[in-house]
Order: sequence, then C-alpha cells, then structure tokens
Amino acid sequence: QITLKESGPTLVKPTQTLTLTCTFSGFSLSTSGVGVGWIRQPPGKALEWLALIYWDDDKRYSPSLKSRLTITKDTSKNQVVLTMTNMDPVDTATYYCAHRGGGSGSYFDYWGQGTLVTVSS
Amino acid sequence: QSALTQPASVSGSPGQSITISCTGTSSDVGSYNLVSWYQQHPGKAPKLMIYEGSKRPSGVSNRFSGSKSGNTASLTISGLQAEDEADYYCCSYAGSSTFVVFGTGTKVTVL
Repeated sequence: QITLKESGPTLVKPTQTLTLTCTFSGFSLSTSGVGVGWIRQPPGKALEWLALIYWDDDKRYSPSLKSRLTITKDTSKNQVVLTMTNMDPVDTATYYCAHRGGGSGSYFDYWGQGTLVTVSS
Repeated sequence: QSALTQPASVSGSPGQSITISCTGTSSDVGSYNLVSWYQQHPGKAPKLMIYEGSKRPSGVSNRFSGSKSGNTASLTISGLQAEDEADYYCCSYAGSSTFVVFGTGTKVTVL
C-alpha cells in the first residue's frame, strides 16, 4: 500500500525559504522507474505542477518556477524534500506530493493529503 | 507553458451524461496521448480517474471514460450520480523538460 505525507511549516514570511518534506511508504525511490512529484493548489484555484525527481536522481522543474525550486531525495529515509526560495504571498497554497505512475509515468496515481502553507508577515 | 483550458463549470441531472473538454496545444495534448484526469472533492486530495488518455485505474467506475481529438481531450461521465459532484482537472504530458501541465479545472454540479 502506497502512502505519502507532506510536512513542513504552515506559516512562512515573505522572502523566506520554504522547506517541505514528503515521507512515503509502500515503494522505494531506488527502484527503476519510480518518481515523486510536487504539485500545489492556491485556495480556490487550479493545480500546478512544481517538480519531479526520478529514481536515478534526474530532476524536472516547472519552467516558470525553476529558479526558485530544488528537489532532493533521501532514499534511506524514504523522503523527498522540496525547497522554494523567496516566498511571496502568491505562493500561499496547499502543497501535495505524489507518486509518479508506471508505464508512461505521465501521471500521479497516489497523492498525499496536502499541507497548507500561508505566506504572510 | 500555459495551463490547459477547461470550462469553468458543467452540470447535469442524475443519470445523464456530461463531457468535460480540455484544450491544449500541439506541444502537449496534440503531441501525446498522455492525458490524465483527476477528481477532487472539497478539502480532499486529487484522485486519479483516467490516465494515458483512456485507461482507468483499478477501482474507478467504468462510467468514466477519456478520449482525445487533435489538441482537445475529453472526459465523459455517464449515468451521472450525486457523488460525481466535484472539481475535475485534466493534465497532459508536455515533453521531457516541462513534464506535465494541468488544466484550469471544471466544477461538475449534479442538479
């Protein structure tokens, strides 16, 4: 059974750096083909893909946020960490981590519950 | 990379069929048959309903089906039920660099 759970601060100040951790179980990020992604959703708005890390440490970032994002993995801890710099109130959102599906790998088949991050001074 | 375009809302009566469109470009929807669809109830995480254009994950009702024509993908819900009332998002693969792009979302209301 695959599960994922996000953790991190609920409140950050403008210009600060956000660090979120995704702790998962039921799969290993050392297995070929596996990937974990981050997706966010501002209140009342649409989903937005942020980043993806593959089992071989290859990484992909949203072109519009690439300069502010870093995704890393700790295989031994079954964790993926997302860092976003220079936070702004428009970054207020629920942040989800998700397991990349098999086959084409172009979708997310298991999602965490999400964590709401508010950016405010 | 711009978000895929979906209608803001679609409604239907119980038992009816509805279709949600998802319009992209030749760089995403038009180039790959790799559209996925997600259902999201208020306050909940998204749930995968369709992947790789028309495949259903185990446990998803066969009332949900996906298709594509040109730069537009579609999700059809047949035999509409009250539990189908939710937000729906499409998502398309957009190449190895961009990975995926999500749609603007559609609120489905069961009348």
